[in-house]
Amino acid sequence: EDKVVQSPLSLVVHEGDTVTLNCSYEVTNFRSLLWYKQEKKAPTFLFMLTSSGIEKKSGRLSSILDKKELSSILNITATQTGDSAIYLCAVEDRDDKIIFGKGTRLHILP
Amino acid sequence: KAGVTQTPRYLIKTRGQQVTLSCSPISGHRSVSWYQQTPGQGLQFLFEYFSETQRNKGNFPGRFSGRQFSNSRSEMNVSTLELGDSALYLCASSPGGNSYEQYFGPGTRLTVT
Repeated sequence: EDKVVQSPLSLVVHEGDTVTLNCSYEVTNFRSLLWYKQEKKAPTFLFMLTSSGIEKKSGRLSSILDKKELSSILNITATQTGDSAIYLCAVEDRDDKIIFGKGTRLHILP
Repeated sequence: KAGVTQTPRYLIKTRGQQVTLSCSPISGHRSVSWYQQTPGQGLQFLFEYFSETQRNKGNFPGRFSGRQFSNSRSEMNVSTLELGDSALYLCASSPGGNSYEQYFGPGTRLTVT
């Protein structure tokens, strides 16, 4: 059965710290891995990764995919209280099915 | 450009009833996907509609059904509601085709008593 596992489930850090969120997957016919940020209700799209080893970057956020290890990490540097959210990892297969992990709940202390 | 809209935002139903939720995608988007989010199971895929056809389906019982209209608006129906159906129901739209970038609506919070 296809699955996506995120770790840690929750994380509390102080403002200014750097965090690394992990996502591992077991999905047949992998096509892409997606990261989302969910603050109150609707998740918002962060990154889509399809190729191994190519870092995607947006401001203080960056992500990279390792197809050999079937995993991805999401890094957030110089964290701010506004980064507090649930970060969701999802994997899409070639049949257009999408499987989400349960998310990492990140809380940034001022 | 207006975002994805969902109605109603909150709903309280009793066991055994049925419910219909509505989702209006971003203009021009042809794909609408539905998800159920609960604290225990996280975000789970229900189904996806593209150009009025169900293109994909998750592992949910037949009580969960949906449809898409010619204007891409989509409805989701849950019949014979159970307590476990209490959840946040999210819909997401994307342009379709090879685009995997989804835009989520604010969700409908369904409570079954």
